[in-house]
Amino acid sequence: EDQVTQSPEALRLQEGESSSLNCSYTVSGLRGLFWYRQDPGKGPEFLFTLYSAGEEKEKERLKATLTKKESFLHITAPKPEDSATYLCAVQATGVGRGSTLGRLYFGRGTQLTVWP
Amino acid sequence: NAGVTQTPKFRILKIGQSMTLQCTQDMNHNYMYWYRQDPGMGLKLIYYSVGAGITDKGEVPNGYNVSRSTTEDFPLRLELAAPSQTSVYFCASSYYSSGKSYEQYFGPGTRLTVT
Repeated sequence: EDQVTQSPEALRLQEGESSSLNCSYTVSGLRGLFWYRQDPGKGPEFLFTLYSAGEEKEKERLKATLTKKESFLHITAPKPEDSATYLCAVQATGVGRGSTLGRLYFGRGTQLTVWP
Repeated sequence: NAGVTQTPKFRILKIGQSMTLQCTQDMNHNYMYWYRQDPGMGLKLIYYSVGAGITDKGEVPNGYNVSRSTTEDFPLRLELAAPSQTSVYFCASSYYSSGKSYEQYFGPGTRLTVT
């Protein structure tokens, strides 16, 4: 069965202290990997899509990378406003029972807290 | 563009009551989805739709029903509410074409409590 695992569950960083979040996945074939940011009481906000191993995307202090088995979300010199839960989701190419065109499998998220 | 809008934002139901959660998108997306999010758990897909008149079950469809009569609207119906349906519900939409996936855009959510 397709699975997405995120680690760590929670991460506390001091402002300016760079780190990485991990998303490992097991799918029959990867169509796309998505990163979202979710603030308390709000819906997930799209950050990046990665389609193939070796691909990288950047946005301000965030950089997402992809290998055949996992993705990293690197946070460089974070600020308190980067505090949020970061969600990873994958879309598989597999067909058959339980597979759905366009369907995303979500991890449980990493709760990031950046303190001043 | 308003994106994806959901109503109501909050609702308290008694066991056995029914209600409809509304979802509308103005991005002309062909795909729409309903998820539920429980504390400490990932988003779980309830139902999805690939276009007007076409819907299908996701991972956790029991106790819910959907319909999609227009491209813009995708309401979720709860029949005979149970405490297990206490959750935050998110509607999302995306565009899909020719085997390429595009990101899903989420609404602000509906927080439902069943007591």
